[in-house]
Amino acid sequence: EPEVTQTPSHQVTQMGQEVILRCVPISNHLYFYWYRQILGQKVEFLVSFYNNEISEKSEIFDDQFSVERPDGSNFTLKIRSTKLEDSAMYFCASEQDRSNQPQHFGDGTRLSIL
Amino acid sequence: DQQVKQNSPSLSVQEGRISILNCDYTNSMFDYFLWYKKYPAEGPTFLISISSIKDKNEDGRFTVFLNKSAKHLSLHIVPSQPGDSAVYFCAARDSGGGADGLTFGKGTHLIIQP
Repeated sequence: EPEVTQTPSHQVTQMGQEVILRCVPISNHLYFYWYRQILGQKVEFLVSFYNNEISEKSEIFDDQFSVERPDGSNFTLKIRSTKLEDSAMYFCASEQDRSNQPQHFGDGTRLSIL
Repeated sequence: DQQVKQNSPSLSVQEGRISILNCDYTNSMFDYFLWYKKYPAEGPTFLISISSIKDKNEDGRFTVFLNKSAKHLSLHIVPSQPGDSAVYFCAARDSGGGADGLTFGKGTHLIIQP
């Protein structure tokens, strides 16, 4: 069964550094998402991406964050000037279309900011 | 702002019995609801969904019930098996309003006892 893959599984970064989290969505899916889950809290929506542009973003997704689909397969989340509070699990998801199809999630990247 | 609430942090059920997980929501614009299952160190795995035009959807051992007037949905697992032990998340979306992101509950940790 096709799946969403994320790399790396764990990223440790010094505060203030930039980090790029990578995702390969399911190949025939058209909508791509990033979510995060801070330890002990809910999974929170960050951003959605469709047709090579941001479709929707939450209040969390400020100027520190950016997303890109640099080629036909990868979908990346860049976090500039990381802060301690950016430490979380970051999940990528993809969705085939918007006809009430489920979003499928990757296994996440654990980001630890030191 | 808890638009999706799962009020039971944990639930313990004997193997072979029925597991009932509950979820309440406050946003009357939500029209698509999903249940995800999550094991440690993995991403959420889609289980079953229901749109607001239905009040029941069944897939094997899993049934989701939606009560729109009460803004309540539940997931029934019968019979419960040891492999069902996981955290279960309820999620919702305002698809008709063009929202992309899912709003998640905090999850319920289901423990199936032998």
